[in-house]
Amino acid sequence: DGGITQSPKYLFRKEGQNVTLSCEQNLNHDAMYWYRQDPGQGLRLIYYSQIVNDFQKGDIAEGYSVSREKKESFPLTVTSAQKNPTAFYLCASSVTVNQPQHFGDGTRLSIL
Amino acid sequence: AQSVTQPDIHITVSEGASLELRCNYSYGATPYLFWYVQSPGQGLQLLLKYFSGDTLVQGIKGFEAEFKRSQSSFNLRKPSVHWSDAAEYFCAVGGQVRAGGGTSYGKLTFGQGTILTVHP
Repeated sequence: DGGITQSPKYLFRKEGQNVTLSCEQNLNHDAMYWYRQDPGQGLRLIYYSQIVNDFQKGDIAEGYSVSREKKESFPLTVTSAQKNPTAFYLCASSVTVNQPQHFGDGTRLSIL
Repeated sequence: AQSVTQPDIHITVSEGASLELRCNYSYGATPYLFWYVQSPGQGLQLLLKYFSGDTLVQGIKGFEAEFKRSQSSFNLRKPSVHWSDAAEYFCAVGGQVRAGGGTSYGKLTFGQGTILTVHP
């Protein structure tokens, strides 16, 4: 079945450590997105990529980095510069930027 | 800037009752509008979308929504709620993203969500 796979489901980070969240899709979608979800705040866009080797900052990009070297993959790194990383992270993809987005099941990141 | 407001943080209905979840948006042009549903600890599932045309759109699981430009609203409705509908619902509006000199939609702005509780 086609879909979006996020891993791991749960992730723990130590202070001062960078961690990378994986997002893989086999839907052949051009566009991919990363969102952060906090209780009562809906989803906020971190980064998005319209096509391979291209990405743009979203509304809350500070403390995060991404790469898009392959169409199927859009990993998100939460750097030590992100002072409040505890959240639920959702990856999404769409055929192009003007189509509905399909979501993975998320990664919950916590600080040790 | 585009924005979405879901005025109700939490709604409780009885099973079998009708449901309406409110969504108001702010956007400078004709928006792309979406409703998503999220079960606890899961990703979001698309219920329905409005791009253009008929202002009453049908979605999955018996949901429908009506686009009212004059009221800047896109309310979600279901005539008879089932216990399995208990979840969090998000309204989203599609934003304008410049791509190669032209413009297209794709950057979504989400509302804060409405939690639906269903009583037996």
